[in-house]
This record gives sequence, C-alpha cells and structure tokens, in this order.
Amino acid sequence: KAGVTQTPRYLIKTRGQQVTLSCSPISGHRSVSWYQQTPGQGLQFLFEYFSETQRNKGNFPGRFSGRQFSNSRSEMNVSTLELGDSALYLCASSLGTTDSPLHFGNGTRLTVT
Amino acid sequence: GENVEQHPSTLSVQEGDSAVIKCTYSDSASNYFPWYKQELGKGPQLIIDIRSNVGEKKDQRIAVTLNKTAKHFSLHITETQPEDSAVYFCAAVDQKVTFGTGTKLQVIP
Repeated sequence: KAGVTQTPRYLIKTRGQQVTLSCSPISGHRSVSWYQQTPGQGLQFLFEYFSETQRNKGNFPGRFSGRQFSNSRSEMNVSTLELGDSALYLCASSLGTTDSPLHFGNGTRLTVT
Repeated sequence: GENVEQHPSTLSVQEGDSAVIKCTYSDSASNYFPWYKQELGKGPQLIIDIRSNVGEKKDQRIAVTLNKTAKHFSLHITETQPEDSAVYFCAAVDQKVTFGTGTKLQVIP
C-alpha cells in the first residue's frame, strides 16, 4: 500500500505571499489531518477533515485553511505568509475513528523569507 | 483542552541499556495513547499504542504502560540499539490528538 504523499517537499516563499500544500492519503483513509512542526512549539494540530468536512480545528488564525476532495486528497492553504509560518507541515491520514493510528507523510518544509 | 507533558526532553543511553520516557495528560476523557518515532527528515511513525482499558502492552523490545488513575503513561525500550536514536512523541487522544513535546533519544554505540 502506498503511504501518505505530500507535495512539494520544500517551498521558499516571501512574506505576504500565499501557499498551497497538497496531501494524498493512504487508499481507504477518509480522515486527513494537518500539523505544524517547529522546534519551539512541537507538533501543533491545525485541522482535520473527514469525508470532505472539517471535523476539528486547532488554534490557528484564519489565514490557515484547508479542504478535502471527494477522493480524500487534501490541500492546505496559508495566505499572507509571515516569517513565523516557517515550519515543517505534516499531513496524516487515518480511518477516522478515535483509536485509529495516524499515518504521516514526510512533510513539506516551508521557509518564509 | 488536553495538555500532555513529556519528560525528559533529551535522553542519552549506552547501547544495550534501557530507555524510559514518561508522559502525563490532563483530560480524563482521553482514551487512546499512541507513541510515534520520528527519524531525521521523515514524518512520525507509530511504534506502539495502548487503549484506556489496558494497563500494559508489549511488542518485542518496546512496552507501554498506562496508569489511568494517575493519568500517566510511559514508553520503555529495552536493549537499545543505535537505530533507536530518534525523537519520540507521546500523544493523548479524545476527539483530537494532543502530542507531547518530544524526547530526543541518543543511543551511544
């Protein structure tokens, strides 16, 4: 079974720009969640989508948004980028029940200059 | 919301020794406790998990214990090997997944 695929692996953007990250989940997984990983803050939950609906949301500003398509693929968008948005963005897929383990991709490294 | 504390933040052990990482959580509604291992340049990977109706689970050199009353759970790695060197995250799950802050484990050959 193919794992979770995130594209691109690396991105360099300038302050004020916007960016879209993509995630393809494991086949059969209907839940996709997104995390921001930084050295100082660890793994912070952004949001979770299940069957195209946002099911849970973390404490991030509205500049961070996402969506999920009918094939369970998901995109995350960050508008008006700030220097502090530089981070590793991880996507994880699962079956969507509370005790379903997360399967992570290798992340997109975003650098904002 | 849930808060998960993880200790220690760094841990160095000699190859062959045991390593123990401890986590505490705050929300008694959390009922699933996975552990993830993250190697350099990769996403976290599940190594073991435990559900709230179980006190201990073992998988070869790795074991996890859960004390629901005290809201503690721990990861035990025996006979450590250099390939165990990585960052380990605990997590507590209710409706959302809340991660601990991570433990960087270094196994010295």
